[in-house]
Formats: sequence, structure tokens, C-alpha cells
Amino acid sequence: RKEVEQDPGPFNVPEGATVAFNCTYSNSASQSFFWYRQDCRKEPKLLMSVYSSGNEDGRFTAQLNRASQYISLLIRDSKLSDSATYLCVVKRGGFKTIFGAGTRLFVKA
Amino acid sequence: DAGVTQSPTHLIKTRGQQVTLRCSPKSGHDTVSWYQQALGQGPQFIFQYYEEEERQRGNFPDRFSGHQFPNYSSELNVNALLLGDSALYLCASSYRFGEAEGTRTQYFGPGTRLLVL
Repeated sequence: RKEVEQDPGPFNVPEGATVAFNCTYSNSASQSFFWYRQDCRKEPKLLMSVYSSGNEDGRFTAQLNRASQYISLLIRDSKLSDSATYLCVVKRGGFKTIFGAGTRLFVKA
Repeated sequence: DAGVTQSPTHLIKTRGQQVTLRCSPKSGHDTVSWYQQALGQGPQFIFQYYEEEERQRGNFPDRFSGHQFPNYSSELNVNALLLGDSALYLCASSYRFGEAEGTRTQYFGPGTRLLVL
């Protein structure tokens, strides 16, 4: 079993739709959680950190459930420019960073 | 403010050869981590350097080695290349003391695409 698992997708949604991505992690010692976005043939870029209380950044909302070892990302009012791969990232101790395989999102006009 | 830079952008090698990839961290950053990203997969952690020493290592064989220089730039060396080493190699930099441990943001370079034939 992989340490970080994500829905592989792809998710195909129309513009304006709301889409949710799920991620689970297996190591209870995990300390920090992030969502990264990766465009085709580009490097990953930090989208947002995920805090225990949940956090929101514009159209993006991230949630963390430590008891269930579950992270989510909600995108409201999807834009064409949201089309990308979304990577769930978990850190445990120091800088050891574990990436999920990513969920691909296609937003259609 | 220059971000993370990597060279070369693309590289083609044959099995058994050796390769060196280079990374310059973002200005003000002192830590460099290397990742391997195979097609359709997330980045896999190779190792991390700060203060010119390897500090953490992922599940990669000894064929993968690295170095960090006094100016914080870093090299990744891969010996005895295998077909399976074909991937995008990403370098990420961060600053060790800027934020609480475990939350420090990593900034990625554009990567080096390595193809082993």
C-alpha cells in the first residue's frame, strides 16, 4: 500500500462546477500536509497548506481529518485554467516529503 | 529574484553511462532536495542536502549520489544508468530556519528530463 493515495482521475468537469479531491495517508506520524498543482510538463507548485482547522483560499478549500488520516481539496466555480494535476503531499519529520501520484483535472468549456 | 534553476533541461544517455544534474537554489535558500518523477507518478524523494551533507535519503540505491557546494548549489549523480532511470528529475529548495519545522515551503525548479536508451 502506498503511503499517500489519491483518486487517480481523471476528473472531467464543465466550467463552473465544484470538484472535490480526496487523499489518504497511512503514517500517523505525518506532521504537515499540502496540495500542489502541476501543469503538464512543468514543475509542481504549492497551491496551499492544509491546516487541522481547515482553510480556504479563494475558490479553494482544504480540509484535514487526522483521526481518519484523510485530506481533501474542494474547488468551487471551476475555471479552464484549473486544468492540471493536483498532488497531495505529506511531510513527516524534517524534510522527508511524500507525494501522492496525483489526480488529473480537465475543466471543459 | 531568481527562482530555482536546473541544468540541463533535457538529456539523453545510454544504459551504463553516468550523468550529473545541477541545481541552483532560490536566493536565500540553504537546503536542496532532489526528486525523481516517472511518467504518470508523483515525485519520489531521493535525498536532501544542507550544510553540504546528505541529511535524509529515500529508497534509492547507492547509484544515486549527490553533493552540495558552499554556495548551496547541488549536483545529483547517477551511475550505471538503467532504462528505468528515465524520468523528470526535480530539485526543490527551501530555507531551514524560515518557518516551523515540517511546514517550510519548497520551491521546485523546472526539472531535467533524462531519457536512458
